[in-house]
Amino acid sequence: KAGVTQTPRYLIKTRGQQVTLSCSPISGHRSVSWYQQTPGQGLQFLFEYFSETQRNKGNFPGRFSGRQFSNSRSEMNVSTLELGDSALYLCASSSSGQGAGDTQYFGPGTRLTVL
Amino acid sequence: GESVGLHLPTLSVQEGDNSIINCAYSNSASDYFIWYKQESGKGPQFIIDIRSNMDKRQGQRVTVLLNKTVKHLSLQIAATQPGDSAVYFCAEKNYGQNFVFGPGTRLSVLP
Repeated sequence: KAGVTQTPRYLIKTRGQQVTLSCSPISGHRSVSWYQQTPGQGLQFLFEYFSETQRNKGNFPGRFSGRQFSNSRSEMNVSTLELGDSALYLCASSSSGQGAGDTQYFGPGTRLTVL
Repeated sequence: GESVGLHLPTLSVQEGDNSIINCAYSNSASDYFIWYKQESGKGPQFIIDIRSNMDKRQGQRVTVLLNKTVKHLSLQIAATQPGDSAVYFCAEKNYGQNFVFGPGTRLSVLP
């Protein structure tokens, strides 16, 4: 099986712009979670989608949003970019995202740099 | 506001020695735990997992121990190799909730 894929791998944007990141989960996985990773804050949960619905949400401002399509592919969007949004954005997928034993697998990440 | 940078604990071991990486988790109701390895420039890679109804699980060169009494998780790597150098994260999960990750430990393998 192919792993979790994320596009693009690298992005450079300027403050005030918006950005859309894409994630394709492992085939058959219906849960997709997004994380932000920075040296200062570590791995922080953004949100989780299952069957096109946001099921869990982390403590991030409304500038961060996402969606999931019927084929389980997911996108996240960040509007009005700030310098502090520079980070590695990671997508992870699992079968159902619910029970114990439902392993979560990560993609390679998208490195976003905001200038 | 100003963010405080995470100070990653670092474990340095000689090549060939065994490594033990520790993790204190926060939620006594967590019922599933995963150890991930993250190399520079890559996403976290699944190493091994354990459910709360177990206290030990073994994989290839790795063993995870779970002590629910003190909410402690450890990862043991046997015969540590240079390719094991990376940051290791533990993650805990309670049913219906998202995974919560620890700050990570940097493992440095000395020749």
